[in-house]
Amino acid sequence: EAQVTQNPRYLITVTGKKLTVTCSQNMNHEYMSWYRQDPGLGLRQIYYSMNVEVTDKGDVPEGYKVSRKEKRNFPLILESPSPNQTSLYFCASSLITGATGTGELFFGEGSRLTVL
Amino acid sequence: QQPVQSPQAVILREGEDAVINCSSSKALYSVHWYRQKHGEAPVFLMILLKGGEQKGHEKISASFNEKKQQSSLYLTASQLSYSGTYFCGTEGNYGQNFVFGPGTRLSVLP
Repeated sequence: EAQVTQNPRYLITVTGKKLTVTCSQNMNHEYMSWYRQDPGLGLRQIYYSMNVEVTDKGDVPEGYKVSRKEKRNFPLILESPSPNQTSLYFCASSLITGATGTGELFFGEGSRLTVL
Repeated sequence: QQPVQSPQAVILREGEDAVINCSSSKALYSVHWYRQKHGEAPVFLMILLKGGEQKGHEKISASFNEKKQQSSLYLTASQLSYSGTYFCGTEGNYGQNFVFGPGTRLSVLP
């Protein structure tokens, strides 16, 4: 089954304790991206990757890191989480084609993070 | 740069029609539409490409005006299942980054 898998789905942590949210897709997609969703602000992009070893900042990258060492994985790293990073996080992936550019985005189920 | 959506919210009765608009200040290569129900991930509805035709899926269709850098989503004879938040997403040139609008909350009442 084609899917994007995020872990953990729920996490409560404390300020300053490093954490990683994993994202894996099994569709051989080139494009992967991380979004955070907060009430009234829609889906704001954190980082994206067009392919292995190619990553770039989105609209709200401060406080986050990513890496793309393998095509299927795109982990999101919070080196020193703060309460303002409490949010719902989505990972998404897509094919990139000459016909459609960024194709249909497939989303993970989301990871709800609370930083105390 | 994030596209703009209007209206921010709309309430309908079952069977009524609605239009959601999405506009950008930059030239667009493609526009996507997604629907998100509460507590779930966004789900893809359709893509509209520069130079392409108007798309449709059952009673949901969309148009893309390249010159005005605008897209509209049309929901006809709305059903209760149409309730949710609708997001447009835009891409500038091919291969450039893809960004979402802030969303339009649609509520369909019996």
